[in-house]
Amino acid sequence: QQQVKQSPQSLIVQKGGISIINCAYENTAFDYFPWYQQFPGKGPALLIAIRPDVSEKKEGRFTISFNKSAKQFSLHIMDSQPGDSATYFCAASTGNGGATNKLIFGTGTLLAVQP
Amino acid sequence: GAVVSQHPSRVICKSGTSVKIECRSLDFQATTMFWYRQFPKQSLMLMATSNEGSKATYEQGVEKDKFLINHASLTLSTLTVTSAHPEDSSFYICSAAVGLGDGYTFGSGTRLTVV
Repeated sequence: QQQVKQSPQSLIVQKGGISIINCAYENTAFDYFPWYQQFPGKGPALLIAIRPDVSEKKEGRFTISFNKSAKQFSLHIMDSQPGDSATYFCAASTGNGGATNKLIFGTGTLLAVQP
Repeated sequence: GAVVSQHPSRVICKSGTSVKIECRSLDFQATTMFWYRQFPKQSLMLMATSNEGSKATYEQGVEKDKFLINHASLTLSTLTVTSAHPEDSSFYICSAAVGLGDGYTFGSGTRLTVV
């Protein structure tokens, strides 16, 4: 019940296309859903996060769509660029992302954007 | 923004020796920090939750006597890998929650190679 399932495992997108990564969870106590971007040899960096009181959040080319009833959320990267090529992780936690609540990570998606 | 500094970025040590990894919150106080381990092309696995002034909480299957965690101040947590073996070779990453609802910031990671 603590798992966050992520798909696809890898994704190839042409430059300018839309990259879509999906995640699903079981624990209805989760109330904070961030997405992280990780480049090889670096720590994850927060891209965008959402809470269950909204169905969509957009920041620049990155959009999170959230479906509370289906317990699913997804990341859309519009106008994908070669510089977006990285591994993306979804995650979830309880306590509104508070100081003591651990993050549960998805399995990751390796995105390659071809020029 | 909130920054977590992690050192060293990479370390090579001999089997049987101990290695210490430091994680500092530079511009905020972190009562709780988290330590993760990441194998190549895999997700982040939470090892332990580090609490300032008290004992760390270890995840199931993580040897507390092998991975010693000390959180002596509000800005510093350390992970010591004791009696390191080649199977301990991995990418270790720390993180801290910036504040309620403000998400988690990750360090840049430490690549440990045990030879």
